[in-house]
Amino acid sequence: QVQLQESGPGLVKPSQTLSLTCTVSGGSIGSGSYYWSWVRQPAGQGLEWIGHIYHSGSPTYNPSLQSRITISIDTSRNRFSLNLTSLTAADTAMYFCARVRFGQGLDHWGQGTLVTVSS
Amino acid sequence: DIQLTQSPSFLSASVGDRVTITCRASQGIRSYLAWYQQKPGKAPKLLIYLASTLESGVPPRFSGSGSGTVFTLTITNLQPEDFATYYCQQPYNYPLTFGGGTKVEIK
Repeated sequence: QVQLQESGPGLVKPSQTLSLTCTVSGGSIGSGSYYWSWVRQPAGQGLEWIGHIYHSGSPTYNPSLQSRITISIDTSRNRFSLNLTSLTAADTAMYFCARVRFGQGLDHWGQGTLVTVSS
Repeated sequence: DIQLTQSPSFLSASVGDRVTITCRASQGIRSYLAWYQQKPGKAPKLLIYLASTLESGVPPRFSGSGSGTVFTLTITNLQPEDFATYYCQQPYNYPLTFGGGTKVEIK
């Protein structure tokens, strides 16, 4: 059974960069026809897709965040990462990593990590 | 971007009821629609993909239908564990987008 686990700081200052990592267990991130995605959800609000990456290393980003995000993948460590720059309070949210079955949906999710942007 | 509009945003129902949630896409997405269930403090769970295909392990009281721009999620014989928020999502085009959610609460 594939499992995903997010890790990273819970509190980040405005204007700084958020770095999150998603470690995958129970399956190889470098095999199969899956994409590896980040999704966020502000408290009490809906879901926003941030972007995803294939094991070949080709990321696709949400245009609304594209100028500030970088998603990378490390197949040797079975993990992928998100960097989000120039943080503001509007970036405060629960951040989830997830596995994507292309054209179908996000079928495995991490438990989420709460990120608060505050000085 | 493809906008997904869910209705209603909120519904109140009783155990045993049949409930239907609608998701409308701003442009045709063929059958590329997924449904998720999310409980408070938890990650979303994939219920249905390709509009009507039940994800493995999901009870058959959940069903989906539709194509093009109008889709529905139906829950028959609503169970206590089904009270949650439901989201639709389109994997047809970038950026991937989600509907605003429908919260199903106990009447």
